[in-house]
Amino acid sequence: DTGVSQDPRHKITKRGQNVTFRCDPISEHNRLYWYRQTLGQGPEFLTYFQNEAQLEKSRLLSDRFSAERPKGSFSTLEIQRTEQGDSAMYLCASSLVPLIRDEAFFGQGTRLTVV
Amino acid sequence: DAKTTQPTSMDCAEGRAANLPCNHSTISGNEYVYWYRQIHSQGPQYIIHGLKNNETNEMASLIITEDRKSSTLILPHATLRDTAVYYCIVSGSGNTGKLIFGQGTTLQVKP
Repeated sequence: DTGVSQDPRHKITKRGQNVTFRCDPISEHNRLYWYRQTLGQGPEFLTYFQNEAQLEKSRLLSDRFSAERPKGSFSTLEIQRTEQGDSAMYLCASSLVPLIRDEAFFGQGTRLTVV
Repeated sequence: DAKTTQPTSMDCAEGRAANLPCNHSTISGNEYVYWYRQIHSQGPQYIIHGLKNNETNEMASLIITEDRKSSTLILPHATLRDTAVYYCIVSGSGNTGKLIFGQGTTLQVKP
């Protein structure tokens, strides 16, 4: 257990439905990251927050995706009008900047299946 | 695109040292080499990182060539639990967490 928790662990949804995932980072960590991982590929960066501010978004993050970190603690990732291509593992990571051990801690991910 | 090149897969006998190579010929002077691994169905796990000096911790050793264009991760006594995908990543310090993953090396430790 890395201390980063994600909920739910698995989600099956029908195409066109909206889904929301939650990430609870390590409590003192000020940075929070979202990644997406498809089968056989390495994780792909989506977006990150410094406290409650969203500082960077990948071009992979289409208009159907939105992420929030309202109080600088937990974060949510919402996908609207899901498509089959959204099926993937969604990973959350957190870190502390300035760095202490210079590492990011990952949760176990939410596996999304769009049918 | 990932800035590193790794072999797709490697085998290692249990109890022997596993040496995982990584090529990062375009690395900049202020960029670090990070290694993470991902065991099946889990999130990636940090292993070690370095700038130019060799590094060692409780998990592994990292050997970086003098020209910094390549490195080797060494697991001194591989166990079956070390079977995983190993990612070599180049990233600037302070950028930790925004990591550009390649496809990594799948290490299979065999009895």
